[in-house]
Amino acid sequence: EIVMTQSPATLSASPGERATLSCRASQSISSDLAWYQQKPGQPPRLLIYGASTRATGIPARFTGSGSGTEFALTISTLQSEDFAVYFCQQYKNWPPFTFGPGTIVDLK
Amino acid sequence: EDEVVETGGGLVQVGGSLRLSCEGFGFAVCGNYMTWVRQAPGRGLEWVSIVYDRGDSYYADSVKGRFTFSRDCPTNTVVLQMNSLRVEDTGMYYCAKVNWNYGLGVWFDPWGLGTLVTVSS
Repeated sequence: EIVMTQSPATLSASPGERATLSCRASQSISSDLAWYQQKPGQPPRLLIYGASTRATGIPARFTGSGSGTEFALTISTLQSEDFAVYFCQQYKNWPPFTFGPGTIVDLK
Repeated sequence: EDEVVETGGGLVQVGGSLRLSCEGFGFAVCGNYMTWVRQAPGRGLEWVSIVYDRGDSYYADSVKGRFTFSRDCPTNTVVLQMNSLRVEDTGMYYCAKVNWNYGLGVWFDPWGLGTLVTVSS
């Protein structure tokens, strides 16, 4: 099973700042990675798939990058609605699909 | 626009059973892969099961032998039958449509709002 890790666990930032979240896979997953955003009391929302392809309706300030074992999600200019938890998920070798533990982006 | 809606959660005692349903809107569940993902209170996401468009299903080791994922095509619904429930099965259960692209892979979208399962001892 591929293990996903994310860092930092919590990222404290202010609106207008740039945020970079990291995700690492225990073995190479090529570009078989998705990112999801989850706000309190809501289901996860797809942001990125194929490591860098934005899902329909996702603002351009969200950028996914990386391949192999190292990935990043960058939010270029944080908006108030971006404070949430972000999960990465691999789909290289499935089942099972595996998720990272999440990064909380909160208000500094 | 595609949508999924889960129902069937509730409070059950250890060893009991629950049947979760997920109805699809705007697409045919039997023409797609469908999946369940759960989230324990305050915790991360855990993949539970997937059913393929052919009808075969796969499970996380943690639920294998206890959960069964099936489809009811006439009602455009998928069903997760959960037996021998444990305290650690407690959480929000989300149903999602699985999208597949040969070059870009597999992703889950949309997700339902979820249905809460509580297993008490």
